[in-house]
Amino acid sequence: AQSVTQLDSHVSVSEGTPVLLRCNYSSSYSPSLFWYVQHPNKGLQLLLKYTSAATLVKGINGFEAEFKKSETSFHLTKPSAHMSDAAEYFCVYRSGNTGKLIFGQGTTLQVKP
Amino acid sequence: SQTIHQWPATLVQPVGSPLSLECTVEGTSNPNLYWYRQAAGRGLQLLFYSIGIDQISSEVPQNLSASRPQDRQFILSSKKLLLSDSGFYLCAWSDWDGKNIQYFGAGTRLSVL
Repeated sequence: AQSVTQLDSHVSVSEGTPVLLRCNYSSSYSPSLFWYVQHPNKGLQLLLKYTSAATLVKGINGFEAEFKKSETSFHLTKPSAHMSDAAEYFCVYRSGNTGKLIFGQGTTLQVKP
Repeated sequence: SQTIHQWPATLVQPVGSPLSLECTVEGTSNPNLYWYRQAAGRGLQLLFYSIGIDQISSEVPQNLSASRPQDRQFILSSKKLLLSDSGFYLCAWSDWDGKNIQYFGAGTRLSVL
C-alpha cells in the first residue's frame, strides 16, 4: 500500500539556519509527491511538487526538495529559515490511479529568533 | 483565475444538532471536489470526493454525508453531530481528470460541544 511517513513531528531551528523536514514514501509505482504548508487556522498552500521530471524540485519561498528513489525519500529543505516559515508542513503522496492524496502526519516547524 | 470558498470559517454546534458546510469553486468547470477532515495534531483524512454532479464517493464510514447539487458546489452535512465530529474541515478542488494539483479552501473549524 502507498503511504508517506514524516519522520519528525516537530522541528525547531533558529532564524537564518537551514531547515530540513524529512519525508519517506512507500510505493510500488513512480510516485507523484508534494509538500504543502499550513499556517495556523488556514488552508493548505502548495510549496512544490515532484511528478517524475527533475529530481530536484524548487518551490515557493526558497524551499526545495530532492526526490531520491534509492532512499525512497523526498526531504524538504531551505538554506535559511525565516520567522514566517513557522507552520505545519505536510508531505503528500498522490495515487496515480485515482488522483487521491495521502497525507503524512505533518511536521510542525518552529523558528526561533 | 480559479478560487475556492468555504464557509463558515468557524462553527460551534451542540451535540445532536445538524450540520451544513458549503464549498464553492469559481473559474473552472467540472472540477473534482474533495472534503477532508483534520483532527487536532494529525494529518488530513479524505472523507468524500466527487467527479461530477451527484457523483460522490465516501472514503470512510461516518456520521457525515456529502452532496453536489451543482457543478461547482459541494456540501458536507450531518443530521446529528457527535463530539467526535469536531475538527478542521477542508474543501479542495482539482482539474476534472483528477491528476493535477489539489487546491484547498481556507477551512472550517468545527467544535461540537
